[in-house]
Amino acid sequence: RKEVEQDPGPFNVPEGATVAFNCTYSNSASQSFFWYRQDCRKEPKLLMSVYSSGNEDGRFTAQLNRASQYISLLIRDSKLSDSATYLCVVILNSGGYQKVTFGTGTKLQVIP
Amino acid sequence: NAGVTQTPKFQVLKTGQSMTLQCAQDMNHNSMYWYRQDPGMGLRLIYYSASEGTTDKGEVPNGYNVSRLNKREFSLRLESAAPSQTSVYFCASSDKGWDTGELFFGEGSRLTVL
Repeated sequence: RKEVEQDPGPFNVPEGATVAFNCTYSNSASQSFFWYRQDCRKEPKLLMSVYSSGNEDGRFTAQLNRASQYISLLIRDSKLSDSATYLCVVILNSGGYQKVTFGTGTKLQVIP
Repeated sequence: NAGVTQTPKFQVLKTGQSMTLQCAQDMNHNSMYWYRQDPGMGLRLIYYSASEGTTDKGEVPNGYNVSRLNKREFSLRLESAAPSQTSVYFCASSDKGWDTGELFFGEGSRLTVL
């Protein structure tokens, strides 16, 4: 089993739709979680942090489910500009060493 | 502000050739990183530098060397390029490592090794 797994998509959704992505992780001791956004042929950029209590930023909501070992990203009222690949990042701190694992990304295409 | 600047943006090499990817940041960040991104594999850490004067291996360091020239600059060298090193390379920097989760990435360098 991969340490971090994402459905690669693509998710093709119409403008205005709500779409959700999940990212599962294998190590239950993982401690920090983030979502990054990467536009086509561009660099990744931090979208938001993920907390057990949830994190909302406008149309975006990130959630952590420790029991089931997954993080989610919900995008409401999708815009054309949301088309991108969304990468999850999972961090494990162990014995003074910090292991950072990127998911392979989920591609979102918002259609007019 | 320029942020993180990488050069070159594109490069084609023949097997066995050497080259250096340059990276500079103007945000006065302590930590700098080199990642490679390959289809279906996510970003993988090659080397990182937690602070000026220190460098450490990441997940996939074989075939690479790095130099933290000063606080601003962190270069990645391929001594003898191999086709397996065909990839997109990203340099990144951060102020507090992954504590805040925010790394600032350069635009990437697309390397093809024939």
